[in-house]
This record gives sequence, structure tokens and C-alpha cells, in this order.
Amino acid sequence: SQQGEEDPQALSIQEGENATMNCSYKTSINNLQWYRQNSGRGLVHLILIRSNEREKHSGRLRVTLDTSKKSSSLLITASRAADTASYFCATVPYNNNDMRFGAGTRLTVKP
Amino acid sequence: GAGVSQSPRYKVAKRGQDVALRCDPISGHVSLFWYQQALGQGPEFLTYFQNEAQLDKSGLPSDRFFAERPEGSVSTLKIQRTQQEDSAVYLCASSSKPNTGELFFGEGSRLTVL
Repeated sequence: SQQGEEDPQALSIQEGENATMNCSYKTSINNLQWYRQNSGRGLVHLILIRSNEREKHSGRLRVTLDTSKKSSSLLITASRAADTASYFCATVPYNNNDMRFGAGTRLTVKP
Repeated sequence: GAGVSQSPRYKVAKRGQDVALRCDPISGHVSLFWYQQALGQGPEFLTYFQNEAQLDKSGLPSDRFFAERPEGSVSTLKIQRTQQEDSAVYLCASSSKPNTGELFFGEGSRLTVL
């Protein structure tokens, strides 16, 4: 079964706007990662945040983690049409090695 | 190679046939994962290898699914007596770290069972 749940399931915005996606999970984690998937392709790693971190930045990406609420958010600022893709959060539990993904948020950025 | 390579990219099988999907991870990567992804869904964990050891196979949906990584590099996912519900994209990913690290994914093998 999947560990994380992304919200919203789908998001449509205009180019230049910010996009925020949320992820909730159920068990204690070692770290949480965000991945991107273009249609028909494999997943690409975007950013990793450890359980003892609260916020992390990478270019136009900002990730937050609230372990007390078991939730994370991914913010993409100044979105571009090329950001159109599905975005998944993935959690790595403390007690084993597997990584489990949510169902994803499908982001559409209109030019 | 430079990335994770999967073959075949596309496979059409008749119900009841056996299929084998291959994954060539990035050279030297100790961890290897298999995932199943249905259309419009997120990847579902199938199994995990650390080197040649299969440490977790809890996600394999039935005993028709079998994975191996005999020399700790190339891995094969075998599906016996395929059923229509096996139709999905099968993704392989590898990591340089034994746990917790960033995963590098292949492009996937799309299986269609008729």
C-alpha cells in the first residue's frame, strides 16, 4: 500500500504563478523525498528533507516538513510551462529500507 | 552506463504467458528497487535488493511474481502466467546508498496483457 497521500490530486495554474502541493504520511520517517515524473517517463529526484529538518530550498523549489503533523509541502515558485508533470512524495521509514510513494499531484502550467 | 536501463520498454503478452523484465542499475549502486505503476497512480513498491540479497519482497502481489539479482548488479523481474491485472509500467530504481538515499529511476517497462 502507498504511504503518502498528495493533495490536491490535480492542480492547474498560469505560468508565473506559484504551485503548492501537500503530502501526508502515516509512520515515522527517516527522510521524505519529492520526485517529478513527465508523462511516459521515469521519476526524477527533486529534493530530500531529513526528519530533523524543517525547510529546504533548491532553486525555485521550497520544501517544508512538519513531523508532528506528518506532512510536507512542495512549493514551486514562478512556475513555467515546462514544470507540467506529476509530482510525488516518497517516505523512507525508520524501521526498514523501502521507499513508498503517494498517488501524486498532476500539475498543469498553462503558458 | 550513465543511467538505469530497463528492457524491454514495451511488452505485449497474451494472458497466461510468462514475461521477464530486465533492469541494469547504475554501476556500483548497492540498492535496487522494483515498483509497479498503474495508469494515473503512484509507484507501488514491489521488492528491494541490497546487493544480491532480497531484503524485502512484501510488495509482490502474488507468487506469480519473482525477482532476482544473483550477482548484485542486473536484476530480473519475472511474472508467470500473466493476467490482465498485471498490465502496468514496471519501474526499476537504484541507489548508491544501502538505505535512505536518492533513487535513480529507469524509463520503465510497459507491460500490456491481452
